[in-house]
Amino acid sequence: SAVISQKPSRDICQRGTSLTIQCQVDSQVTMMFWYRQQPGQSLTLIATANQGSEATYESGFVIDKFPISRPNLTFSTLTVSNMSPEDSSIYLCSVLGGQGAGEQYFGPGTRLTVT
Amino acid sequence: AQKVTQAQTEISVVEKEDVTLDCVYETRDTTYYLFWYKQPPSGELVFLIRRNSFDEQNEISGRYSWNFQKSTSSFNFTITASQVVDSAVYFCALRDMNRDDKIIFGKGTRLHILP
Repeated sequence: SAVISQKPSRDICQRGTSLTIQCQVDSQVTMMFWYRQQPGQSLTLIATANQGSEATYESGFVIDKFPISRPNLTFSTLTVSNMSPEDSSIYLCSVLGGQGAGEQYFGPGTRLTVT
Repeated sequence: AQKVTQAQTEISVVEKEDVTLDCVYETRDTTYYLFWYKQPPSGELVFLIRRNSFDEQNEISGRYSWNFQKSTSSFNFTITASQVVDSAVYFCALRDMNRDDKIIFGKGTRLHILP
């Protein structure tokens, strides 16, 4: 299984500011995914990040609000820009398991509160 | 379109009782994966099981068992002799096997095990 770490684990931010969340994987992976989980809700995919190409965003999410970097095969960042209280959520990165294995693993999440 | 339905929003049972969490899915694909994840109060998403659409064998792992029935598009999860530590939100999820991309989550079932 992949071991995924995220930084920070939690943060409290003021509205109008931006926060960059880091995701580190212990093995090289082609695709990394960023999810949002609003309080009491299920997980929603924000975007898929492939190394060497632009991230692919899901409907309702835009690059200006959630810019993503993917500089190599083990690391990605998600920035939540110009935050508002509605952005208060858990943000999780995720990767697929070994080749053809099908498992999908998640990082521990970043719990963001915007005041 | 793919969809995962977890009709039970919240369940409470007394410790040592058995409990079944329901999951019904919709997909046009003939090959797909089904998953169950556990999210304890700490927020981390814990992978429990993956099933591919070719394999309808039921699976047992300790007190956990899963019943996959393609005829009814269901992938139910049973906890036998429940324990307080089983209290969590449980998510059922679906992903197309041929496309290594987004996983679709159900809304989750919040399970309370009462001492």
